[in-house]
Amino acid sequence: NAGVTQTPKFRVLKTGQSMTLLCAQDMNHEYMYWYRQDPGMGLRLIHYSVGEGTTAKGEVPDGYNVSRLKKQNFLLGLESAAPSQTSVYFCASSPKTEGGTPQHFGDGTRLSIL
Amino acid sequence: DQQVKQNSPSLSVQEGRISILNCDYTNSMFDYFLWYKKYPAEGPTFLISISSIKDKNEDGRFTVFLNKSAKHLSLHIVPSQPGDSAVYFCAAPNNREYGNKLVFGAGTILRVKS
Repeated sequence: NAGVTQTPKFRVLKTGQSMTLLCAQDMNHEYMYWYRQDPGMGLRLIHYSVGEGTTAKGEVPDGYNVSRLKKQNFLLGLESAAPSQTSVYFCASSPKTEGGTPQHFGDGTRLSIL
Repeated sequence: DQQVKQNSPSLSVQEGRISILNCDYTNSMFDYFLWYKKYPAEGPTFLISISSIKDKNEDGRFTVFLNKSAKHLSLHIVPSQPGDSAVYFCAAPNNREYGNKLVFGAGTILRVKS
């Protein structure tokens, strides 16, 4: 009963390095999301996807890219990491319904950029 | 523009008493509100929701009240238990835009003392 799985759980990067965060869901959900959580700011949407092969920008997309080549996977990439991207990143998924359908979250990736 | 606001960063309550967590919003177009609970090192988990056509929704020890005229909602936990100690986020889906995207408040840390 995995739900939403994020890898890795922790990572330390140097400024300018690149990396990819992986999110996998086994609930056959259409919608997937990437959020970042910073102290005192709640969760802010980075990018999202409403289906395989589609992506769209959220509230804070700069410095990130995403891909959804398979329905169950949603990848978040940092091409050139910056200290301002130090954060906890959460992936979520939800069925293709509107009207307040809850999103299911992974346990997060804690990323530090030195 | 912070559409969902949780103005109390933290709340401390004695075990067995009532916990009241508050949330204000500015967007009158929100038609659902959700509460999420988050433990350290875990992702947010859905707790309870309310439709904007209702003023109350109850689920066990958890009740959410909605006052549309005041653009205010509150989560009541009765009786509070030490296991309720967590961060609570208020959220609303921005249904003007496709994809069931959520707008989150900054969260309130609840500490239940035994």
